[in-house]
Amino acid sequence: DQQVKQNSPSLSVQEGRISILNCDYTNSMFDYFLWYKKYPAEGPTFLISISSIKDKNEDGRFTVFLNKSAKHLSLHIVPSQPGDSAVYFCAASGYLYNSGGSNYKLTFGKGTLLTVNP
Amino acid sequence: EAGVTQFPSHSVIEKGQTVTLRCDPISGHDNLYWYRRVMGKEIKFLLHFVKESKQDESGMPNNRFLAERTGGTYSTLKVQPAELEDSGVYFCASRPTREPRGTDTQYFGPGTRLTVL
Repeated sequence: DQQVKQNSPSLSVQEGRISILNCDYTNSMFDYFLWYKKYPAEGPTFLISISSIKDKNEDGRFTVFLNKSAKHLSLHIVPSQPGDSAVYFCAASGYLYNSGGSNYKLTFGKGTLLTVNP
Repeated sequence: EAGVTQFPSHSVIEKGQTVTLRCDPISGHDNLYWYRRVMGKEIKFLLHFVKESKQDESGMPNNRFLAERTGGTYSTLKVQPAELEDSGVYFCASRPTREPRGTDTQYFGPGTRLTVL
């Protein structure tokens, strides 16, 4: 059962326009959300995050919006640039207890391939 | 500051053989995580170390996988014997403990691509 879902496997936008990547989650225990960017043959690179006590976080061209009631978050990239072309992963974390103690492990979506065309 | 490093970058082995992957976290990061991505699927959690102790190994697929973190520095993940379904990219990530709750950013290494033939 997928707890973090990225329903769009791919997205294509024109350079200079806005890119909007969406993510839904089902586990109400998640209280911290992150976006990672991944280029081929590289590891995921942290992009931006948001705590559940906020509904918006902005960093330059990147803004993440969180709608807790809908269990939905989105990443906006404005303006989009060709170098932004990559796979974007949504990830969630929570103070989840297990038999060994607390754990902040990340639960990932399947990713969305963003292509920004010049 | 050096990032998370992993070795090797690629490994091709035959079914039944043994492979050991290594991860060097960012210096000073007590938390070390292993994840795996099987082709086309999501990145999945395998286990979590705090220093040298296994905090959570609930994601380990079976007892053919053994992870260690001697001395609380680098970690190894051994697969013995390897099976075809073990193929995938194995990522290591680290996180400092001193960050306050609400900043759970994990920093990932480049991954080891394992192919079992």
